[in-house]
Amino acid sequence: QKEVEQNSGPLSVPEGAIASLNCTYSDRGSQSFFWYRQYSGKSPELIMSIYSNGDKEDGRFTAQLNKASQYVSLLIRDSQPSDSATYLCAAQERGNEKLTFGTGTRLTIIP
Amino acid sequence: ETGVTQTPRHLVMGMTNKKSLKCEQHLGHNAMYWYKQSAKKPLELMFVYNFKEQTENNSVPSRFSPECPNSSHLFLHLHTLQPEDSALYLCASSPTPGLLYEQYFGPGTRLTVT
Repeated sequence: QKEVEQNSGPLSVPEGAIASLNCTYSDRGSQSFFWYRQYSGKSPELIMSIYSNGDKEDGRFTAQLNKASQYVSLLIRDSQPSDSATYLCAAQERGNEKLTFGTGTRLTIIP
Repeated sequence: ETGVTQTPRHLVMGMTNKKSLKCEQHLGHNAMYWYKQSAKKPLELMFVYNFKEQTENNSVPSRFSPECPNSSHLFLHLHTLQPEDSALYLCASSPTPGLLYEQYFGPGTRLTVT
């Protein structure tokens, strides 16, 4: 069974520090990876996608992918209280319409 | 959130009731999805529709019945549900089923089965 694993947290990070969120996946056929942010009581919102090994930066967010280790991470630089949310990692197999989601990591930024 | 709307936002129903959830997308997308989000569990894909045709049924019990009359509207008909079906039901849309990096979620319907 295809699985995406995340530490449920909560992960507490001081404001201004780097928050590091990690995710591992079991299916080596996974080709596309996504990070969603979900505020409490709200729906998931896509914030990053990554398809190739290495880093992808977008503003304060950096996604990292290591297919050999089956590992995806999300770094948030200069963390802000507004970054406090649950972050969902998802993997998509090539040619598949389905996303496999992790259970999410709850991040709290402490002012 | 205004791109994909869902009604009702909250629903309480008994196990013998029949109710329907509605989703509408205003993005011109051709693919629509139903997901279930339960506490402490991963988001689960239930159904996928592509150009009004169902292309995925992720082993969902028959007490959940989807309907997609056109590319903009999606329904989830509910009957004889169980308490364990209580969850947040999310609708989503994307330009095509494969373009999941452009998938947008609606606000969800919080369902409680009593």
